[in-house]
Amino acid sequence: NAGVTQTPKFQVLKTGQSMTLQCAQDMNHNSMYWYRQDPGMGLRLIYYSASEGTTDKGEVPNGYNVSRLNKREFSLRLESAAPSQTSVYFCASRDLLSSGVNEQFFGPGTRLTVL
Amino acid sequence: AQSVTQLDSHVSVSEGTPVLLRCNYSSSYSPSLFWYVQHPNKGLQLLLKYTSAATLVKGINGFEAEFKKSETSFHLTKPSAHMSDAAEYFCVVTRFSGGYNKLIFGAGTRLAVHP
Repeated sequence: NAGVTQTPKFQVLKTGQSMTLQCAQDMNHNSMYWYRQDPGMGLRLIYYSASEGTTDKGEVPNGYNVSRLNKREFSLRLESAAPSQTSVYFCASRDLLSSGVNEQFFGPGTRLTVL
Repeated sequence: AQSVTQLDSHVSVSEGTPVLLRCNYSSSYSPSLFWYVQHPNKGLQLLLKYTSAATLVKGINGFEAEFKKSETSFHLTKPSAHMSDAAEYFCVVTRFSGGYNKLIFGAGTRLAVHP
């Protein structure tokens, strides 16, 4: 199993450009998440998808959109990139069981720089 | 509301000496708590998790953490540091919101290990 994969690994954009970050998981997990990581702030949730066909806003959704394409894939789109969106983006997935709390599994991250 | 505070942004130890990374949490109900590790330019890996079973939790690579409800703490320890332990460590608490458990991250503690 590859786990959680993300593409691209690095990206540089100019202000106003758009792009889509791709995420896929092969663990048959129901829930998927997008986070951004900024120095001294830990990880903050941008959007999540509890199950195929549903998406919800997290703590910092402004400037982003998401698509849960199928159970495996969850993409994050920046319609008009801004320098404040320079960050490292992590995708994660989790197996939503009826009981217990399961950890999230993280991808390797995408380092995005907006000039 | 659930939150987590990592009391040290940087910790430096010598190889072979004990490691202590401190975490305090705030939760309005019995929490689930995690420690994740992030090596440079890598994704996040789960070290250990507390889910209301034993209060002393053992994780990978010789790490363990003790849940102390009276002190609202979940400190991470290791008896003897290894050079490969140099990384950033995140204490995480779950928050139940909108019918789902979400992860709330601390700001992180960067551990340096010196020869």
